[in-house]
Amino acid sequence: LAKTTQPISMDSYEGQEVNITCSHNNIATNDYITWYQQFPSQGPRFIIQGYKTKVTNEVASLFIPADRKSSTLSLPRVSLSDTAVYYCLVGDAPQTGANNLFFGTGTRLTVIP
Amino acid sequence: EPEVTQTPSHQVTQMGQEVILRCVPISNHLYFYWYRQILGQKVEFLVSFYNNEISEKSEIFDDQFSVERPDGSNFTLKIRSTKLEDSAMYFCASQKTSFQETQYFGPGTRLLVL
Repeated sequence: LAKTTQPISMDSYEGQEVNITCSHNNIATNDYITWYQQFPSQGPRFIIQGYKTKVTNEVASLFIPADRKSSTLSLPRVSLSDTAVYYCLVGDAPQTGANNLFFGTGTRLTVIP
Repeated sequence: EPEVTQTPSHQVTQMGQEVILRCVPISNHLYFYWYRQILGQKVEFLVSFYNNEISEKSEIFDDQFSVERPDGSNFTLKIRSTKLEDSAMYFCASQKTSFQETQYFGPGTRLLVL
């Protein structure tokens, strides 16, 4: 499993774009990059997943450079409800067998009014 | 949108007592997981379950823990003799298939062992 490094915390004002970068220098060829969000006292919630270049969905964008040694989660125009812990996970999703998730400490994002 | 449900939301128990935490995964999902999160710490993998048997388990999942899918819908985690250090939030998750599929987490059961 590739080790990931993220900032422990970030603050942002409402309405701003937030970019959270995750380093994964030892990412393997088969590894995907997945981001989860966790609100206090709730289970993690899938945000976005990508392998290379850029992925966008209705919630966020994920930018992955060509060397794939890092990735950036971009949240457009954050609101107070985006205050949460954001986890970057790197690993392969096996064709068969369970896909156990191993969470790091994540990035605690605080959105300020 | 279908969701994973867990009961109870909170459980308080005495050290040494048995507890059973219950989960109802999303109905057409095939893979099931338990994770725990001690207050202020990271989410930790406990066990994965597929085709009515354990796929993998972590070092945390010792002989005091067991899982079961008794009736095709519920997925339970039993802790035989609880310890103080078992106090945590326990999350159940389910996944439709293994490859690149999202895991859907339940709201968790907060277990407090006194």
